[in-house]
Amino acid sequence: TQLLEQSPQFLSIQEGENLTVYCNSSSVFSSLQWYRQEPGEGPVLLVTVVTGGEVKKLKRLTFQFGDARKDSSLHITAAQPGDTGLYLCAGVRKTSYDKVIFGPGTSLSVIP
Amino acid sequence: DAEITQSPRHKITETGRQVTLACHQTWNHNNMFWYRQDLGHGLRLIHYSYGVHDTNKGEVSDGYSVSRSNTEDLPLTLESAASSQTSVYFCASSESTGADTQYFGPGTRLTVL
Repeated sequence: TQLLEQSPQFLSIQEGENLTVYCNSSSVFSSLQWYRQEPGEGPVLLVTVVTGGEVKKLKRLTFQFGDARKDSSLHITAAQPGDTGLYLCAGVRKTSYDKVIFGPGTSLSVIP
Repeated sequence: DAEITQSPRHKITETGRQVTLACHQTWNHNNMFWYRQDLGHGLRLIHYSYGVHDTNKGEVSDGYSVSRSNTEDLPLTLESAASSQTSVYFCASSESTGADTQYFGPGTRLTVL
């Protein structure tokens, strides 16, 4: 059972289009991270959101943490081929240690 | 520049053999992690270490072991490789807790025949 679900699993769009990918869970997280992974490489952290309702912008990427801290979204404006990659969300739960749970990822392909 | 490296990048082995995957970081981070990545499952934590001589089991630790004899290295050993352990393995390190930024290596693609 996936604690974190991401949708869509695959997305192929034309350059210049906008898109939103979602990260959902029934669990509450203390924070949520978004990573991007390119083929043959390890994931690279894009952003961490901590407060419910928080919105962070990174150039054309907008990240939002749900009010209840159970879900998050990533919106890309005017997608470019360089945005192609696997987008992973990771929820952090504070137990005896900071447990990081990764979602299965959304594979994005931006066609020139 | 600080970095985290993994070796080998690709490995093919046979069922039942012992395999060790290397991970070396020059960030001087206390925390190091091993994950496996499989289609549809995302990254799953195998083992982690919060410092020298400290090791802990993650969610999918059966059949794997690690040891931490210094800050820089956390080798992952498959005691007796199984076909179910065919996967891409990533090592990561972080300065603080797991909630801190994790810096990932480039991965090792392991095939068990």
